[in-house]
Amino acid sequence: DGGITQSPKYLFRKEGQNVTLSCEQNLNHDAMYWYRQDPGQGLRLIYYSQIVNDFQKGDIAEGYSVSREKKESFPLTVTSAQKNPTAFYLCASSWLPDNNEQFFGPGTRLTVL
Amino acid sequence: AQSVAQPEDQVNVAEGNPLTVKCTYSVSGNPYLFWYVQYPNRGLQFLLKYITGDNLVKGSYGFEAEFNKSQTSFHLKKPSALVSDSALYFCAVRDLLLSGGYNKLIFGAGTRLAVHP
Repeated sequence: DGGITQSPKYLFRKEGQNVTLSCEQNLNHDAMYWYRQDPGQGLRLIYYSQIVNDFQKGDIAEGYSVSREKKESFPLTVTSAQKNPTAFYLCASSWLPDNNEQFFGPGTRLTVL
Repeated sequence: AQSVAQPEDQVNVAEGNPLTVKCTYSVSGNPYLFWYVQYPNRGLQFLLKYITGDNLVKGSYGFEAEFNKSQTSFHLKKPSALVSDSALYFCAVRDLLLSGGYNKLIFGAGTRLAVHP
């Protein structure tokens, strides 16, 4: 899993509650990404960030928010507006501009009770 | 639009036999192709990539992949499978340039490889 850490490994959320997933990297990568993984659907991009204080929506950004205050950190908040948040969430990072390889964290499994 | 397809949900192989996990792609321009592996409840690990050059790309753990432009395929192969190779395998293609100079990866749905003793 390289130099990317995600916490917690497992997270349980009650209906209507916001939760924040942590992602930290010590690889000095420029870009960071959040993906959602559901069975049989591969990975879908939620948000990405190329530089500090800048980020862009991916394919399924609704109900999620992010921040990039430091190069090393890219936390993801799953808000109560996300209707079906139970999934496996993966953070990744890469150098720019090539983005020829993304390095992934170990993931966080979020379950809504 | 760029896309990648993995036509098999699952591949079953006996230990010691060769394995192939299939991937086909659709891109505009030259493709940048990747294979990743995922073990249960873990993140994805990079196996190999094709950017340019030789059509046969060698990667980690004895895996290799063959780029075939005429068939738009990038199949993952290994001459002799191990039980420990059992995992979920993802093919990915780099998407076109988006705003801000960013190229995202598009992943296939994944193929589960089961290697039996």
